[in-house]
Amino acid sequence: EPEVTQTPSHQVTQMGQEVILRCVPISNHLYFYWYRQILGQKVEFLVSFYNNEISEKSEIFDDQFSVERPDGSNFTLKIRSTKLEDSAMYFCASSSQKGRNQPQHFGDGTRLSIL
Amino acid sequence: GESVGLHLPTLSVQEGDNSIINCAYSNSASDYFIWYKQESGKGPQFIIDIRSNMDKRQGQRVTVLLNKTVKHLSLQIAATQPGDSAVYFCAETPPSNTGKLIFGQGTTLQVKP
Repeated sequence: EPEVTQTPSHQVTQMGQEVILRCVPISNHLYFYWYRQILGQKVEFLVSFYNNEISEKSEIFDDQFSVERPDGSNFTLKIRSTKLEDSAMYFCASSSQKGRNQPQHFGDGTRLSIL
Repeated sequence: GESVGLHLPTLSVQEGDNSIINCAYSNSASDYFIWYKQESGKGPQFIIDIRSNMDKRQGQRVTVLLNKTVKHLSLQIAATQPGDSAVYFCAETPPSNTGKLIFGQGTTLQVKP
């Protein structure tokens, strides 16, 4: 069964450094998402992406965050200057080309630890 | 503001019993709902979904019920097994074109052998 894959599984970074989290969505999907989950809390929406542009972003997704689909398979989340409070699990998700009311399929996440 | 909440943080059941996990959502205009299962160290795994034009949907050993009158969603798991132990999240899609999901806090299901 096709799945969303994320790398790395764990990223440790010094505060103030840039970090790039990588995702390979399911191959025929066209809607892409990033979510984050602080330890022990609920999953929070960050950004949705379709047709090579951001379609919606949350208050969390400030100027330090950016997303990119550099080629036909990868979808990346960049945090330009990391803060301690960016420490969380980051999940990538994708859904099919049939439209928004389709289940999003999640990867197993990248644990980001900011020191 | 928008929120989706779960009534109980932890549910403990005996193996073989049926489990019912509840969820309250706040946006009456939400039209699509999903239940996810999250095991330790893993991402949310899709279980079952339901659209707002339905009030019940069944899958394999799982049933989702939607009561739009009181904005309540439930997940029923039949003959609960140890492998069902996980955190369960409900999520809603408010009306927009982006498909953004709003998750609830999660209920931990513990299955006792």
